[in-house]
Amino acid sequence: EVQLVESGGGLVQPGGSLTLSCAASTFTFSTYWMTWVRQAPGRGLEYVANIKQDGSEKQYLDSVKGRFTISRDNAKNSLYLQMNSLRAEDTAVYYCAKDPNHFDENVWGQGTTVTVSS
Amino acid sequence: DVVMTQSPLSLPVTLGQPASISCRSSQSLENSDGNTYLHWFQQRPGQSPRRLIYGVSYRDSGVPDRFSGSGSGTDFTLKISRVEAEDVGVYYCMQGRHWPNTFGQGTKVEIK
Repeated sequence: EVQLVESGGGLVQPGGSLTLSCAASTFTFSTYWMTWVRQAPGRGLEYVANIKQDGSEKQYLDSVKGRFTISRDNAKNSLYLQMNSLRAEDTAVYYCAKDPNHFDENVWGQGTTVTVSS
Repeated sequence: DVVMTQSPLSLPVTLGQPASISCRSSQSLENSDGNTYLHWFQQRPGQSPRRLIYGVSYRDSGVPDRFSGSGSGTDFTLKISRVEAEDVGVYYCMQGRHWPNTFGQGTKVEIK
C-alpha cells in the first residue's frame, strides 16, 4: 500500500522554526510532484507549496514565500518543509501529498499538527 | 487568486437520495493541453482528504460509481446518485489551472 507519513509537528513560539518531514513508501517517489497542503483548525484546505520531481521547480503560497522552503531527497524518498518566522496564522494540520493536480494516483499522509503560540 | 465558490455549504440528505454540489471558479480552468484542472475531494470526519474526481469527471481508483463529476469552463458539479452513510463529510473542489491552486470553502454533507 502506498504510504506517506509526516512527522516534525509540534508547539513553537511565534518567530520560531520547525521542519516537517514526509517519508514515502511503496511508490517511485522520484517520479512525482509532491505538495504540502494545510488546514487551520475548523477551516478549509490551503495549498502551501509544491516541488517538481527533481527539485528544480518550486511554488509557494504568497503568505509563506520567503519563510518556508520545500525540498526533497529522492534517495531517501523524503519530502521536507522548513518553516521559519512562524506566525499564529500558520497554526494548522500540515498534509504531505502526491500533488493532487496530476492525473495519476493520489495519496495523502495522515497529517502533522503545527501550533504557533506563546 | 482564483476564487472557488461552492454551494450549498451545508447539505442534509436522506439516505438513498441523490445529492449535488456546485462549484464555480472566478476564471476558466481549461488549459491549452486539453485538460481542465478541476478536482473534487472528500474529507470524512477525523480523516485526511481523499481525492474522488480529477480532471472534472475522472473517478479515482476505488471510488464508488455513485460519485460523478461534470462541468466545463467555470461551472462544475459533483453528484452522488444515492447517498450512503459513509458519504458523510466535507467535500471540496480544487482548481489547479492557476497558481496558487485553490480550494472551495467546503460543503458539509450530513444525513437527515
